Amino acid sequence: DMQMTQSPSSLSASVGDRVTITCRASQNINTYLNWYQQKPGKAPKLLIYGASSLQSGVPSRFSGGGSGTDFTLTISSLQPEDFATYYCQQSYSTPRTFGPGTKVEIK
Amino acid sequence: EAHLVESGGGLVQPGGSLRLSCAASGFTFSSYWMHWVRQVPGKGLVWVSRIYIDGSSPNYADSVKGRFTVSRDNAKNTLYLEMNSLRAEDTAVYYCAREQQEYCASGVCSYFDYWGQGTLVTVSS
Repeated sequence: DMQMTQSPSSLSASVGDRVTITCRASQNINTYLNWYQQKPGKAPKLLIYGASSLQSGVPSRFSGGGSGTDFTLTISSLQPEDFATYYCQQSYSTPRTFGPGTKVEIK
Repeated sequence: EAHLVESGGGLVQPGGSLRLSCAASGFTFSSYWMHWVRQVPGKGLVWVSRIYIDGSSPNYADSVKGRFTVSRDNAKNTLYLEMNSLRAEDTAVYYCAREQQEYCASGVCSYFDYWGQGTLVTVSS
């Protein structure tokens, strides 16, 4: 099965900061990589698909990049509502494995 | 807009069984692959199962293979997860999710664009 890793596992940042989260796949997954945001007690929400395509309705401060095995999610200017846990997921193969998550906390 | 609502969770003893349901509305249910994803409270997301449009070729995570069965009733717009021989480690919130597919630069991208609110399954004596 494809293994996904994320770094860091958590980070503290301030409103207005630029934040970058990294996701790595154990094999080449081209650009079959999605990013989700999850807030406590809520279902995950799709942010980015196909490594870099912004889901409709998602603010443009979110962006994704990368291909092959290394990917990034960047929040250009962190807003109060962005404090959450972020997960990457590969859609190259089944099982559709998720990364372990990155928790973004308020500094 | 698409809407997914899970039900059927609850407390069950180890070795017991439970059937989860996911009622879909607001979209043509029979046109989408559907998935189950679970999450131990405070932990990460874990993919559980997938079922094709017509109910064929289900896939399962190794951890549930042989114990869980996914099915769907397209006439009732409902997805199911039959869970047998439940273990303490199956305790989690179970989400159903819709898989969207579209052409993208690298081919056909797929992603989970709608999720239910989740239903909690607790396996404990």
